[in-house]
Amino acid sequence: ETGVTQTPRHLVMGMTNKKSLKCEQHLGHNAMYWYKQSAKKPLELMFVYNFKEQTENNSVPSRFSPECPNSSHLFLHLHTLQPEDSALYLCASSQDLGRGGLYNEQFFGPGTRLTVL
Amino acid sequence: KNEVEQSPQNLTAQEGEFITINCSYSVGISALHWLQQHPGGGIVSLFMLSSGKKKHGRLIATINIQEKHSSLHITASHPRDSAVYICAVRIYNTDKLIFGTGTRLQVFP
Repeated sequence: ETGVTQTPRHLVMGMTNKKSLKCEQHLGHNAMYWYKQSAKKPLELMFVYNFKEQTENNSVPSRFSPECPNSSHLFLHLHTLQPEDSALYLCASSQDLGRGGLYNEQFFGPGTRLTVL
Repeated sequence: KNEVEQSPQNLTAQEGEFITINCSYSVGISALHWLQQHPGGGIVSLFMLSSGKKKHGRLIATINIQEKHSSLHITASHPRDSAVYICAVRIYNTDKLIFGTGTRLQVFP
């Protein structure tokens, strides 16, 4: 049990659908992250939230819309996706961003495997 | 060219062998992470370091900031070590992480 849960674990959607990915952490952390992992590509950081405020948007298309209502929950709202958006979407959390020096250790969820038809 | 390069891309070993995975980067960093990803996608953070060396069980991670290079060593490898090992760096003075493409390790009994 990593302390970070993601739902659903698998999702198949059409290009016109709207769906949401959910991430919840039970670790009392203040920073949460969305990552995308496409086949044969490095992990890509998508968004970073610290104390519910977005601190990083790594040039992500607007068809991906994050929401962080509190420090324990993070959503990724999806709409009008493309087949190339099919990937494993991973959520992670850390105590905070550790800007004073070391980047705090991140704890990852199991991921949502998304297929866009 | 990716700002974080790992080598080798694939590695096979016999149980008990000493394994080294390398990571080189071309940007200024504040920290480097080693992560382990098992089939199915679950990722575990192994190490986070900004200088020197860290050891956890059979795993050792080293970093040379001047040479912009880090190594992950596994002593007495075991089939359960089979996974993808990923190096990631935090760009200095930002919240941005850049990841290597990973090294796929298979350890055979």
